[in-house]
Amino acid sequence: ETGVTQTPRHLVMGMTNKKSLKCEQHLGHNAMYWYKQSAKKPLELMFVYNFKEQTENNSVPSRFSPECPNSSHLFLHLHTLQPEDSALYLCASSGASGSLSYEQYFGPGTRLTVT
Amino acid sequence: GQNIDQPTEMTATEGAIVQINCTYQTSGFNGLFWYQQHAGEAPTFLSYNVLDGLEEKGRFSSFLSRSKGYSYLLLKELQMKDSASYLCAVRPSSGYSTLTFGKGTMLLVSP
Repeated sequence: ETGVTQTPRHLVMGMTNKKSLKCEQHLGHNAMYWYKQSAKKPLELMFVYNFKEQTENNSVPSRFSPECPNSSHLFLHLHTLQPEDSALYLCASSGASGSLSYEQYFGPGTRLTVT
Repeated sequence: GQNIDQPTEMTATEGAIVQINCTYQTSGFNGLFWYQQHAGEAPTFLSYNVLDGLEEKGRFSSFLSRSKGYSYLLLKELQMKDSASYLCAVRPSSGYSTLTFGKGTMLLVSP
């Protein structure tokens, strides 16, 4: 059983909707990540948080807004999305980036469809 | 820039051995990872190489040559449950480092 959970597992939203994705890790990690996985494309890193501070924003459009209230929880707020944003959104956690705990543990993902 | 190449698809027979190759060109290097991802599931960690050579872990082994920018994942005694996508990922630097992933190799194991 994964130590990283994500809700919802599936989400369908219109382009004018606002929704949020939630990620929670029970592994005592200090770094959390959002990735986007589209068909036939590599996993794309979106955001990185270390000790609740955002340390990387990989040129993600502002319609995606992350929030990390504590080391165990990570949110991705979505608004005015486009159909091309439909993808699997994966959350991951690890020991703080740069530490010896290098493995990233992934959640099951949220399958997002934008109509 | 970062570039990671691996074959898109491979097929193999149950009980056989398969080697999945990965080549990379990155601005720095601080380790190479292999992940397994079954359809509709989360990627799970398989192996990590930071020094040249072979790392063996049960039926799975991973090899790294830093001078050649090359790695492979070797799967022995293939089982049907090994049908999955195998992701090669490189950690470019040692600071606030993150992983750059290849597109993944879809392996289909047939009876």
